[in-house]
Amino acid sequence: QKEVEQNSGPLSVPEGAIASLNCTYSDRGSQSFFWYRQYSGKSPELIMSIYSNGDKEDGRFTAQLNKASQYVSLLIRDSQPSDSATYLCAVNLSGGFKTIFGAGTRLFVKA
Amino acid sequence: DVKVTQSSRYLVKRTGEKVFLECVQDMDHENMFWYRQDPGLGLRLIYFSYDVKMKEKGDIPEGYSVSREKKERFSLILESASTNQTSMYLCASTSTQGGYGYTFGSGTRLTVV
Repeated sequence: QKEVEQNSGPLSVPEGAIASLNCTYSDRGSQSFFWYRQYSGKSPELIMSIYSNGDKEDGRFTAQLNKASQYVSLLIRDSQPSDSATYLCAVNLSGGFKTIFGAGTRLFVKA
Repeated sequence: DVKVTQSSRYLVKRTGEKVFLECVQDMDHENMFWYRQDPGLGLRLIYFSYDVKMKEKGDIPEGYSVSREKKERFSLILESASTNQTSMYLCASTSTQGGYGYTFGSGTRLTVV
């Protein structure tokens, strides 16, 4: 059974701080990794994708991938109250069309 | 922007009814998916399709079927609705083998009474 594990949280950070969200996965052959943001009552929205080891930055977001450790993370710099949401880690399984989602980490940014 | 449109935002159906959930995407994506999302269980894949008239079972296909007669439309069918199928249903599409991530529809919250 292929799995994606996340700390369910909630993770609470003050406004302006760095929020760090972590994810591990079990399928060693996976090549594509994603972070989605889901506001309460809304559908998930893709915010970051990463395919190779290292860091990928997009505005205040940085995704980090370490395939040897089977570890993906998302850093949110200068966190804002509007970043309060559930963040889903997702991994596209090797050799197929399926993507497995983690259960999500709830983030609260306190003003 | 890619749009994935789900026909209903909220549905209430009775036990035993046949239920149709419709999903349409406008970006010529080959791959379409149906997930359900439940508190504490996350997103679980019901069915997916990588081409017209093609379908593959996901992790929880029991009690569901799908139809993809046109590339842009992927329908989820609950053959005989049961209360344990009360859930948020999410449709998604993508243009490659998931390499570019999914675009989700706004979701259908189905309540079976």
